[in-house]
Amino acid sequence: AQSVTQLGSHVSVSEGALVLLRCNYSSSVPPYLFWYVQYPNQGLQLLLKYTTGATLVKGINGFEAEFKKSETSFHLTKPSAHMSDAAEYFCAVSLGAQKLVFGQGTRLTINP
Amino acid sequence: DTGVSQDPRHKITKRGQNVTFRCDPISEHNRLYWYRQTLGQGPEFLTYFQNEAQLEKSRLLSDRFSAERPKGSFSTLEIQRTEQGDSAMYLCASSLAGVGYEQYFGPGTRLTVT
Repeated sequence: AQSVTQLGSHVSVSEGALVLLRCNYSSSVPPYLFWYVQYPNQGLQLLLKYTTGATLVKGINGFEAEFKKSETSFHLTKPSAHMSDAAEYFCAVSLGAQKLVFGQGTRLTINP
Repeated sequence: DTGVSQDPRHKITKRGQNVTFRCDPISEHNRLYWYRQTLGQGPEFLTYFQNEAQLEKSRLLSDRFSAERPKGSFSTLEIQRTEQGDSAMYLCASSLAGVGYEQYFGPGTRLTVT
């Protein structure tokens, strides 16, 4: 069975600082990995995905993530945080194009 | 661009009442998913359809829950005899079948059972 662990339920960074949100997964077969963002009282918006190919994937709003099979990780980064990045971020794994299994989420706070 | 829509956005009901939610997927998407999200948690899978066929149901989907997608377009999720533990955000998502096709989420229906 697949599972996702997001390290840190709450991350706080200063505006302009590096954002690093950690995600580790467990899967018996090569996974498909996703990061979604959720703003208050809204649905989820896809930031980026990894299916096959290049292990460094770029997404919207300046975010990127690197798939590291040996570390079973898919950490999300952004070089310079902006106030508008404050939101809840979810890492998810799926087998093929079926159900998503989500982590518990990381709330990102940006300090001015 | 019409994304995934859900109706209603908010529902307050008394314990023991039945409620029904509707989801309209992106028009060309043949897969439709339901998830439940409780406060401070990630979404949890409930069920999904490919066209009108319900292909998988989670153990979370007790016999009080039923979902349909009668013509392979919109879907409904009904909860009978609601309990306070049913209070959550119910999210719908849609996608194309096939590898690499991401799921697009609607805004959710927030259910409060009093």
